[in-house]
Amino acid sequence: AQKITQTQPGMFVQEKEAVTLDCTYDTSDQSYGLFWYKQPSSGEMIFLIYQGSYDEQNATEGRYSLNFQKARKSANLVISASQLGDSAMYFCAMREATGRRALTFGSGTRLQVQP
Amino acid sequence: DADVTQTPRNRITKTGKRIMLECSQTKGHDRMYWYRQDPGLGLQLIYYSFDVKDINKGEISDGYSVSRQAQAKFSLSLESAIPNQTALYFCATSAPVTGELFFGEGSRLTVL
Repeated sequence: AQKITQTQPGMFVQEKEAVTLDCTYDTSDQSYGLFWYKQPSSGEMIFLIYQGSYDEQNATEGRYSLNFQKARKSANLVISASQLGDSAMYFCAMREATGRRALTFGSGTRLQVQP
Repeated sequence: DADVTQTPRNRITKTGKRIMLECSQTKGHDRMYWYRQDPGLGLQLIYYSFDVKDINKGEISDGYSVSRQAQAKFSLSLESAIPNQTALYFCATSAPVTGELFFGEGSRLTVL
């Protein structure tokens, strides 16, 4: 069974600084996808970034980058130049390669950006 | 308009009542999902559907049922609601290649 672990229930960061949110995963599949979603206090789920298991380069989307270390089975999210609007819950998720292809989610990290 | 629309957005009901949460999408995706989020926790899969004739249980399907009325519509029912079903419910569709989920805005259900 697939499993996603986010070990940081809460994180604080100063505005304009960079922050890394940790995510480790466990799977026996060779082909899989890794995602990060943001959930602000309003509740909606916002897609941030995607990394395929065969992608050789780390994914980047604006201020977001995914530090993918396949051998260590980690997929950490790096947010550069934090903004107050980055305060939210952040979820790491993994897509199964076959079958239902549903996403399995971690328990999330609550990030608070301080001015 | 949102690509994935859920109704109602908020609902308060009483124990034992039947509740239906509806979801419609304009993404044209075949795969649709219902997830549940308990306060402070991640999302858990309730049911998923690959097309109108293919419906499958997720990890926490007990107490729930679903109906896929059309490619664009996937509804979730609680036949007899109980307080521990109080949660935020998300409908989602899945992009065919990456598997990225496109979420509705969520339906916040409170069972008293």
